[in-house]
Amino acid sequence: AQTVTQSQPEMSVQEAETVTLSCTYDTSESDYYLFWYKQPPSRQMILVIRQEAYKQQNATENRFSVNFQKAAKSFSLKISDSQLGDAAMYFCAYRSAKGNEKLTFGTGTRLTIIP
Amino acid sequence: DAGVTQSPTHLIKTRGQHVTLRCSPISGHKSVSWYQQVLGQGPQFIFQYYEKEERGRGNFPDRFSARQFPNYSSELNVNALLLGDSALYLCASSLRSHRSSYNSPLHFGNGTRLTVT
Repeated sequence: AQTVTQSQPEMSVQEAETVTLSCTYDTSESDYYLFWYKQPPSRQMILVIRQEAYKQQNATENRFSVNFQKAAKSFSLKISDSQLGDAAMYFCAYRSAKGNEKLTFGTGTRLTIIP
Repeated sequence: DAGVTQSPTHLIKTRGQHVTLRCSPISGHKSVSWYQQVLGQGPQFIFQYYEKEERGRGNFPDRFSARQFPNYSSELNVNALLLGDSALYLCASSLRSHRSSYNSPLHFGNGTRLTVT
């Protein structure tokens, strides 16, 4: 079974600065997808960024980018130019490339933005 | 377009009772998944339904059941409620088929907060 570990329960960053959230995972599969979701107080899980395991190039979405290290099974999220609206819980998630759509989530990191 | 809608938003039940949670997917989405999120933890997969058939089931007891209707909406049923069933229940939809695909990310609703007393 796959597992996802987020070792930082809480992180804080000054507005406009850069912060990196960590995620490691364990799997015996070679083909899979990785995601970062954001959950603000509204409770809705919002997709931030996604990465296909077979792609070596790290995904980027505006101020959000990932550092995907397949051999190390590491998938960190970097948020640049942090904004007050980035404050939320961030969840790392794994999905196999075969089978159903099951997402395996980590326990989350609460990100606080300091004005 | 409307996103994934869930009802009710909040619910309080007593131990031993039964509950039904409802989910309407984004228009055109044929796959619906259910997740349980206990306070302070990440969501846990309960079910996936596609074309009215169960395509995946997580590690939950038989007290949990679900179904999908011809219009692709879905219901999650929980019988004989326990205190430990108190959680946020999230529904997600995708265009996806029974096979996993990168091109069909999950879109989540705002969830139903269930409190069991």
